[in-house]
Amino acid sequence: DQQVKQNSPSLSVQEGRISILNCDYTNSMFDYFLWYKKYPAEGPTFLISISSIKDKNEDGRFTVFLNKSAKHLSLHIVPSQPGDSAVYFCAARRFTGKLIFGQGTTLQVKP
Amino acid sequence: DAGVIQSPRHEVTEMGQEVTLRCKPISGHDYLFWYRQTMMRGLELLIYFNNNVPIDDSGMPEDRFSAKMPNASFSTLKIQPSEPRDSAVYFCASRGYRGANEKLFFGSGTQLSVL
Repeated sequence: DQQVKQNSPSLSVQEGRISILNCDYTNSMFDYFLWYKKYPAEGPTFLISISSIKDKNEDGRFTVFLNKSAKHLSLHIVPSQPGDSAVYFCAARRFTGKLIFGQGTTLQVKP
Repeated sequence: DAGVIQSPRHEVTEMGQEVTLRCKPISGHDYLFWYRQTMMRGLELLIYFNNNVPIDDSGMPEDRFSAKMPNASFSTLKIQPSEPRDSAVYFCASRGYRGANEKLFFGSGTQLSVL
């Protein structure tokens, strides 16, 4: 039972353009959402988060949007840079503290 | 702070052997998580501890897997006997008191290959 789904295994964009990574969830009890970035041979690192009481959170080039009615969140990266090439995981938390991750999307930003 | 430390970085073993993965969380963090990364399921939560007590082990695939946290600075994940389908990257992560900081801090992972 995959409660957090990232349906696009990979995404390729040109440097300077916008990258949009998508994530869907099934559990309406999730109250906090996070995005993590992972480089090869490293552990995932925190990127940005959003509470379920908000619909948008911005941090520099990264913006996360939450659509609760659609149970959908997205990560926008503008402008995309080659150093953004990595695997991106979305994650969701219920009040119990358990953090559930999606399958990940591999982003490639071409120079 | 050295971050979350996992050992070994790589483990190659033969089917049927016992495998022990180790983790040292960030000092002061009272939550510890074990995840497994596979292509099909992404980052899959196996078990997590709060104040050294296992809270949820529903993600542990079967009885061959066991995890312990004897003290606040050390945890192990053991697979006995190991099987080829256990081959994956295993991550340990920790975080502080919930509500103060929701972020998990991950170690670099252990790449396990069971032949």
